[in-house]
Amino acid sequence: KQEVTQIPAALSVPEGENLVLNCSFTDSAIYNLQWFRQDPGKGLTSLLLIQSSQREQTSGRLNASLDKSSGRSTLYIAASQPGDSATYLCAVSKNTGTASKLTFGTGTRLQVTL
Amino acid sequence: NAGVTQTPKFQVLKTGQSMTLQCAQDMNHEYMSWYRQDPGMGLRLIHYSVGAGITDQGEVPNGYNVSRSTTEDFPLRLLSAAPSQTSVYFCASRLLPSGAQYFGPGTRLLVL
Repeated sequence: KQEVTQIPAALSVPEGENLVLNCSFTDSAIYNLQWFRQDPGKGLTSLLLIQSSQREQTSGRLNASLDKSSGRSTLYIAASQPGDSATYLCAVSKNTGTASKLTFGTGTRLQVTL
Repeated sequence: NAGVTQTPKFQVLKTGQSMTLQCAQDMNHEYMSWYRQDPGMGLRLIHYSVGAGITDQGEVPNGYNVSRSTTEDFPLRLLSAAPSQTSVYFCASRLLPSGAQYFGPGTRLLVL
């Protein structure tokens, strides 16, 4: 059974810092990995999608990497801002027959302080 | 594109009542799914569908029914609400086999 772990569970950094969020998974036979952010009381917003054949994806100040062999992904946030404060979740997709299913980590709660 | 939409945003039910949570997407995605999110439990898959007329169970299907008569709509029915079904419910959709998943804004359900 696929297990997805995110460390740390919570993180507080001052504005302007660069930071790295970690995601690890136990089964490397994945279709892709996706990073989401969730603001309190809101739905999940897709940030980046990395297919299994890719090593990284970038969008603005965000960069996500994928190392399938070691079962790890990192989300790098450059020059953090208070607006980045949210919970960040990673999810891996695996083919289970009729359709690929996502397995989610429990998230990292990020707070960026002024 | 409206993306994935859900109604209602918030609902209070009494134990034993039934209701339907609505979900629609306008991206022509084959795959649609329902999750519940509870503190400390993360997101858990309730039911999913890979196309009109095809549905299947996820991790926690008991107490819920779904149907998929069109590509756009995927309603979730609570047959007889229980307090254990108090949760936030999210609908999601994506292109198969490996497209990005998009979520709706959620429905907060309180069962008294």
